[in-house]
Amino acid sequence: RKEVEQDPGPFNVPEGATVAFNCTYSNSASQSFFWYRQDCRKEPKLLMSVYSSGNEDGRFTAQLNRASQYISLLIRDSKLSDSATYLCVVNIDNFNKFYFGSGTKLNVKP
Amino acid sequence: NAGVTQTPKFRILKIGQSMTLQCTQDMNHNYMYWYRQDPGMGLKLIYYSVGAGITDKGEVPNGYNVSRSTTEDFPLRLELAAPSQTSVYFCASSYPQGSSTDTQYFGPGTRLTVL
Repeated sequence: RKEVEQDPGPFNVPEGATVAFNCTYSNSASQSFFWYRQDCRKEPKLLMSVYSSGNEDGRFTAQLNRASQYISLLIRDSKLSDSATYLCVVNIDNFNKFYFGSGTKLNVKP
Repeated sequence: NAGVTQTPKFRILKIGQSMTLQCTQDMNHNYMYWYRQDPGMGLKLIYYSVGAGITDKGEVPNGYNVSRSTTEDFPLRLELAAPSQTSVYFCASSYPQGSSTDTQYFGPGTRLTVL
């Protein structure tokens, strides 16, 4: 079983739409959670950390549900520039070993 | 700061050849990592290091070796290249604070093809 699982998509949405991605993780001892963004043929870059209480950064909102072992990312008012692959990342142990999901591809259309 | 730099950007190897992928960071981060990313897949951890002189295996270490003689450098060695090692290799570093604010900073990647 994979440590982190994501719907690969693609999610094709019009500009201005609201879109949500979920990610499930298998290890209940997981400690830290993140969303990274990866543009085509580029390195991943941190989008936001995910806190137990949920957190918001502009148009982006992340939620963590420890009981059901999933995290979510909500993007409001989608922009063309939001088109990318979004990677769910989970940190399990104290030595900062990160486990990456395969990513969810988002295409925002004009 | 240049952040995390990787060389080369691209490389084509023949089966059985060896090479070293270079990774350097100038942020004085303790932790460094090597990942590989196959097409349409997430990143898989090859090796990681928590400080100079300390390295450990990740999920997919077979066929690779690493060393960490300085804080700044973390080279990845392929001894006998195989087609299964065709991938994009990313180096990353972090300065863990033991909290959910830990962030990994990635290099631009090395695209390796083994024929």
